Amino acid sequence: GQSLEQPSEVTAVEGAIVQINCTYQTSGFYGLSWYQQHDGGAPTFLSYNGLDGLEETGRFSSFLSRSDSYGYLLLQELQMKDSASYFCAVRHSSYKLIFGSGTRLLVRP
Amino acid sequence: DVKVTQSSRYLVKRTGEKVFLECVQDMDHENMFWYRQDPGLGLRLIYFSYDVKMKEKGDIPEGYSVSREKKERFSLILESASTNQTSMYLCASSPPGQPIEQYFGPGTRLTVT
Repeated sequence: GQSLEQPSEVTAVEGAIVQINCTYQTSGFYGLSWYQQHDGGAPTFLSYNGLDGLEETGRFSSFLSRSDSYGYLLLQELQMKDSASYFCAVRHSSYKLIFGSGTRLLVRP
Repeated sequence: DVKVTQSSRYLVKRTGEKVFLECVQDMDHENMFWYRQDPGLGLRLIYFSYDVKMKEKGDIPEGYSVSREKKERFSLILESASTNQTSMYLCASSPPGQPIEQYFGPGTRLTVT
């Protein structure tokens, strides 16, 4: 079967750093994506790791270790607007993503 | 800017009705997807299409069918709606050859009573 595990909820303080972990067990693996979804909004693409290592995009970074079937999303200098749900998604094939159940991030002042 | 639009934001249907959910994208993307999103379950793929008239089953296709007669339009059909199909339905599209960066529509919240 296919499974992606991520924490259901994380709380952090404005200005802090938070890491959202994702472990996966899938029959196929090409890479790991991250999406952000605000309440009532559509998911939007944040980042993709096709190779091991760290990818940085502004305040957000994403990491992948294929040998550990593990990745994380790192959010720095947290802002109130970062309060949202974050989904990891495995690229399972040429056409398909498999999404995790999402992590709800609450940023407190 | 990629735009993916869905025909309705909210829809209420009765059990047994045939339901059509429409999705249109304006970026000439080959790939289009239908997901349903339920609390605690994330996004689950119902069907996807990688070209006009081509379709592939996703993880939960039972009770659904799709139609793609034109490149920009991908329709999800519930042949006989049931209460367990009450959900948020999200359409997405992506450029050819990669599903990585998908562009999502605003979603249709369907309630079946």
